[in-house]
Amino acid sequence: GENVGLHLPTLSVQEGDNSIINCAYSNSASDYFIWYKQESGKGPQFIIDIRSNMDKRQGQRVTVLLNKTVKHLSLQIAATQPGDSAVYFCAENSGGGADGLTFGKGTHLIIQP
Amino acid sequence: DSGVTQTPKHLITATGQRVTLRCSPRSGDLSVYWYQQSLDQGLQFLIQYYNGEERAKGNILERFSAQQFPDLHSELNLSSLELGDSALYFCASTRTSGGPVDEQFFGPGTRLTVL
Repeated sequence: GENVGLHLPTLSVQEGDNSIINCAYSNSASDYFIWYKQESGKGPQFIIDIRSNMDKRQGQRVTVLLNKTVKHLSLQIAATQPGDSAVYFCAENSGGGADGLTFGKGTHLIIQP
Repeated sequence: DSGVTQTPKHLITATGQRVTLRCSPRSGDLSVYWYQQSLDQGLQFLIQYYNGEERAKGNILERFSAQQFPDLHSELNLSSLELGDSALYFCASTRTSGGPVDEQFFGPGTRLTVL
């Protein structure tokens, strides 16, 4: 896929288990955070977002946790399925709304059957 | 399918050349963003246009330029190409000028290879 060679951190989990992907951000002024999923050969796809005035947000099978004290973001995926295999990126918007997103390096999630 | 289209899908060219990448945003979206995804730098924001005007700049080189046309499609022009410009180039669009209520929808990307 397009991310081969990027030496991404890899997380390997068993199908059906829960996955936790972590991300550290550096800009304390960031007010909006998003998780994206990128499958091989495709563009990033929105999964879930969270604003800085929240600590937790839940979606379908996914939960995002935000710890502003240590500038840490996590994505939890419940009951992982083969279709969850992808590279996951956290992204931050540092405010003002006009700037593009700043992406983290990404984590490659591999689902073992 | 995000509704954002990009052409061409693949582009192979030589150093020193100039290429143009094209993006059509989702119907009704006014903002277009360009990103570069390379092996060593990951996904990086290049530039944003909103309703025909430049709105924000990221890590865009002076050799690169973009524009958004009245029909809201956008073109990214890359000139004096170098080997290091080989990357995936993504376009994204949003309904308005961006921000927490405005999800970015990404296109499938253009893979540029500079030989």
